Amino acid sequence: DTEVTQTPKHLVMGMTNKKSLKCEQHMGHRAMYWYKQKAKKPPELMFVYSYEKLSINESVPSRFSPECPNSSLLNLHLHALQPEDSALYLCASSWASGGSKDTQYFGPGTRLTVL
Amino acid sequence: AQSVTQPDIHITVSEGASLELRCNYSYGATPYLFWYVQSPGQGLQLLLKYFSGDTLVQGIKGFEAEFKRSQSSFNLRKPSVHWSDAAEYFCAVGLQTGANNLFFGTGTRLTVIP
Repeated sequence: DTEVTQTPKHLVMGMTNKKSLKCEQHMGHRAMYWYKQKAKKPPELMFVYSYEKLSINESVPSRFSPECPNSSLLNLHLHALQPEDSALYLCASSWASGGSKDTQYFGPGTRLTVL
Repeated sequence: AQSVTQPDIHITVSEGASLELRCNYSYGATPYLFWYVQSPGQGLQLLLKYFSGDTLVQGIKGFEAEFKRSQSSFNLRKPSVHWSDAAEYFCAVGLQTGANNLFFGTGTRLTVIP
């Protein structure tokens, strides 16, 4: 089973709201990722967690706050977003960092609209 | 620095025709290579991957890809396209060491006409 689940599927929020995106995998993967994807563009890496520790932050604004409570769960907390943050947010997971086991499996995404 | 080029932004093929999507990469060593497919509004699904060994790899949904080191290419092929193959296709390069992330090409949108 190579399933990564994401909730919610759609989210509409105002610029003053606080919301969270959730990602879950039960494949025993130890690396988890957040990507942002704008229309007609490839995914852009935001954060990487490896063994529940943040290993990569691609200079993402602080209004995006990731959290990895355990090896199966990854959250993305959102606060004071801007309309340009509207995008598809994808979660992915892989066995570990680097090497032949680093095949990333993606979730279906959360479509975020910021009003 | 590593990079991935998908020279075709949009390709249109007739159902039943053959398909080849191009991917070229730039990287100092042999990278790990992937093809993903994305239907509108959906996540990315892994079609196939190349790490080492046989340079012709088989994937899901009848797709295959061939790694050509001399051309730094990893082109995706399918002998007979189905209407359900219409989607966005992304080629990606993974590094063997260091940061555990993928470098994506800009994608090729496939349209299938009856």
